[in-house]
Amino acid sequence: KAGVTQTPRYLIKTRGQQVTLSCSPISGHRSVSWYQQTPGQGLQFLFEYFSETQRNKGNFPGRFSGRQFSNSRSEMNVSTLELGDSALYLCASRVRSSGGPAYNEQFFGPGTRLTVL
Amino acid sequence: TQLLEQSPQFLSIQEGENLTVYCNSSSVFSSLQWYRQEPGEGPVLLVTVVTGGEVKKLKRLTFQFGDARKDSSLHITAAQTGDTGLYLCAVGFEDSNYQLIWGAGTKLIIKP
Repeated sequence: KAGVTQTPRYLIKTRGQQVTLSCSPISGHRSVSWYQQTPGQGLQFLFEYFSETQRNKGNFPGRFSGRQFSNSRSEMNVSTLELGDSALYLCASRVRSSGGPAYNEQFFGPGTRLTVL
Repeated sequence: TQLLEQSPQFLSIQEGENLTVYCNSSSVFSSLQWYRQEPGEGPVLLVTVVTGGEVKKLKRLTFQFGDARKDSSLHITAAQTGDTGLYLCAVGFEDSNYQLIWGAGTKLIIKP
C-alpha cells in the first residue's frame, strides 16, 4: 500500500506570495492533518479534515487554510507569506478521527520544505 | 490546557550505551504514541500504548506506559548510530476526538 505523498518536496517563495501544498493520504484513510514544524516551535498542529469537513483547527492565523476533496486528497494554502512561515509542512493521514486509539495512529508524508525569502 | 513535556531535549551518547527518554503529561490521556523522525523526513510511528502499566518491546527499544496514564518512557539498549533522530511522543484524548497533542521531542545523537 502506497504511503502518504506530498508535493512539492521543496518550494522557495518570496514574502507576500501565496503557496498551495498538496497531500495524498494512504488509500482508505479519510482523515488528513497538517502540521508546521520549525526548529524553535516543534510540531504545531494546523488543522484536520475528515470527509471534506474541517474537524479540528490549531492556533494559526487565517492566512493558513485548507480543504479536502472527495477522494480524501487535501491541499493547504498559505496567503501573504511571511518570513516566519519558512518551515517543514507535514501532512499525516489516519483511518478516521474517532472511534478509539487504534484509529488515530498517524502516518506522515515526507513533508514540503518551504523557504520564504 | 493540556501540556506534554519531553526530557531530555537533547542527548548525545556513544554507540553501545543505554538511554532513557521521558514523556510526561499534565493530564490523564487515553493513548500515547512514540514516533521517530529523521532529518528532512516525516515522523514514523514506533508504537502505540493504551493500557496503564503497559510495556511494549520493539527489538532494542522498550516502551513503558505509566500506571497513572500520565507518563511514558522509551528505553534503548545498546544504542546504534541508526537510532539517531528526533523522538516525539504524542497523546490522544477521547474527549477531543483523539486529536493528538505533541511533545517538543528529544533529539538523540548516537556517536560511533
